[in-house]
Amino acid sequence: AQSVTQLGSHVSVSEGALVLLRCNYSSSVPPYLFWYVQYPNQGLQLLLKYTTGATLVKGINGFEAEFKKSETSFHLTKPSAHMSDAAEYFCAVRYSSASKIIFGSGTRLSIRP
Amino acid sequence: GAGVSQTPSNKVTEKGKYVELRCDPISGHTALYWYRQSLGQGPEFLIYFQGTGAADDSGLPNDRFFAVRPEGSVSTLKIQRTERGDSAVYLCASSAPGETQYFGPGTRLLVL
Repeated sequence: AQSVTQLGSHVSVSEGALVLLRCNYSSSVPPYLFWYVQYPNQGLQLLLKYTTGATLVKGINGFEAEFKKSETSFHLTKPSAHMSDAAEYFCAVRYSSASKIIFGSGTRLSIRP
Repeated sequence: GAGVSQTPSNKVTEKGKYVELRCDPISGHTALYWYRQSLGQGPEFLIYFQGTGAADDSGLPNDRFFAVRPEGSVSTLKIQRTERGDSAVYLCASSAPGETQYFGPGTRLLVL
């Protein structure tokens, strides 16, 4: 079955430190890959997406992710965490251009002052 | 421009009651999706409309759940004989064909 695994339900980093949120997917066919962010009591906002082409994808708010087919991974990074980055982050996949999105269970990112 | 809107934002009902949740997609978006997000989980797919027809309803958990989109715009998710386990945030998303899905703020349903 197609699935998305996010390692670590909760990640805590210091302000200014590197943010690394891990995501692996299970599929023999490269999917479309997404990272969404959800702030408290708000809807899902797209951070970045990979469809085809360059495997390093840059998104909003200084985040980026790299698609590694050999590792079936799409980890999210940000060089320097900001207090405003505290939120829930969801990795997600889609297997055709017009189909449902399959989400991971989410990683809650906390930022320590 | 206006994003995806959902009403009501919160709904409290009693076990066994019927509820309707509404989604207004972004104007011109022909694709519309419903997801359900339980506490501490990622959203789970329920149903996908392309125009007026349900292209994929494989995520509907049982026959108590039904959704319509009669004119290819607004959609209503209907839940009959609600159960406590139906309590969740119901999310709607819309997109142009093959493009990014944009999510609404959700309806928080609580079944007592």
